[in-house]
Amino acid sequence: KNQVEQSPQSLIILEGKNCTLQCNYTVSPFSNLRWYKQDTGRGPVSLTIMTFSENTKSNGRYTATLDADTKQSSLHITASQLSDSASYICVVSADNAGNMLTFGGGTRLMVKP
Amino acid sequence: GAGVSQSPRYKVAKRGQDVALRCDPISGHVSLFWYQQALGQGPEFLTYFQNEAQLDKSGLPSDRFFAERPEGSVSTLKIQRTQQEDSAVYLCASSPLPGRFIEAFFGQGTRLTVV
Repeated sequence: KNQVEQSPQSLIILEGKNCTLQCNYTVSPFSNLRWYKQDTGRGPVSLTIMTFSENTKSNGRYTATLDADTKQSSLHITASQLSDSASYICVVSADNAGNMLTFGGGTRLMVKP
Repeated sequence: GAGVSQSPRYKVAKRGQDVALRCDPISGHVSLFWYQQALGQGPEFLTYFQNEAQLDKSGLPSDRFFAERPEGSVSTLKIQRTQQEDSAVYLCASSPLPGRFIEAFFGQGTRLTVV
């Protein structure tokens, strides 16, 4: 069964600190992996999309890595801000169709002043 | 509008009541997806439309769930005889590409609470 596991489930950090969120998956075949940020009461917003051949992709203070061999991805947030407080969801796609996505349970990040 | 719009934002229904959730996709977007997100969980796929055609409804949990997109734009997700386990956030996403989620944008969701 295709699964996406994220860790930690929740995380509290101080403003200005860095953090790294983990995503392990067993989805096969593999097409791409996305990281979404979901603010409370909002829909998910895409941060990065990575395909099999991409190892690292950055979007401002967010940097995602992908190791397709070990089926692991990480999302590193640099110099955290209060507005980074949200759930971060890892989504793995077996192809490019919306019905072939497997969502992780998310990591709830709280940034405190 | 500039994004995917869903209404209502919040809906409280008594058990057994029918509800209708609306999704206004981004203008011109061909693909439309519905997802169900339980508290603390990632979204689960419900159904997919390409224009007015419902190409995949494999994720609908029961025959109480029905979705339509009659003119290929606005979509409605209807839940008949609501049960407590239907309580969740219902997310709609749209994409300009047929059958492809890669450029999809999510709406803010409708939080349904069945009491």
